[in-house]
Amino acid sequence: EPEVTQTPSHQVTQMGQEVILRCVPISNHLYFYWYRQILGQKVEFLVSFYNNEISEKSEIFDDQFSVERPDGSNFTLKIRSTKLEDSAMYFCASSWDRSDTEAFFGQGTRLTVV
Amino acid sequence: DAKTTQPTSMDCAEGRAANLPCNHSTISGNEYVYWYRQIHSQGPQYIIHGLKNNETNEMASLIITEDRKSSTLILPHATLRDTAVYYCIVRVGFGNEKLTFGTGTRLTIIP
Repeated sequence: EPEVTQTPSHQVTQMGQEVILRCVPISNHLYFYWYRQILGQKVEFLVSFYNNEISEKSEIFDDQFSVERPDGSNFTLKIRSTKLEDSAMYFCASSWDRSDTEAFFGQGTRLTVV
Repeated sequence: DAKTTQPTSMDCAEGRAANLPCNHSTISGNEYVYWYRQIHSQGPQYIIHGLKNNETNEMASLIITEDRKSSTLILPHATLRDTAVYYCIVRVGFGNEKLTFGTGTRLTIIP
């Protein structure tokens, strides 16, 4: 069964450093998403991406965050200058159509900012 | 804010049917009911969705009331691997609208 793949599974970084979280969505999917989950809290939407541009972003997704689909297979989330409060699980998701279909989630990257 | 209300937690005996309720009294005519689950901080997993008719797949059944203000997810023969947090989400069925997760129901399957 096709799946969304995220790397790395765990990333530790120092406060103020830049991190890039990588995702390989399912190959025929057209819509891509990033969500995050701070330990013990809800899964929160960050951003959706379609046709090489951001479709929607949440208040969390400020200027420190950016997304890119650099090569037609990868989908990346960059955090420019990490803060302690960015520590969370980050989930990538993709879906193939804009009609009533499900989104498939990756297993997540645990980001720890120290 | 999430548009659904779910019990915080439930227990179910292994092998029995698990019935998870969800209230969505403000659901609009073009909104679907989606169910996802999250097993121990893994990525959310899609289970099932429906608009107004009852739905069944290999994982579960979804029963939606005639007025669409509530629904029930049924896991027919719960196993220990079904222990997870279950999220009921209402979402417009077109466009790449985001999923808005609430706190869900923590279902514990008891041996």
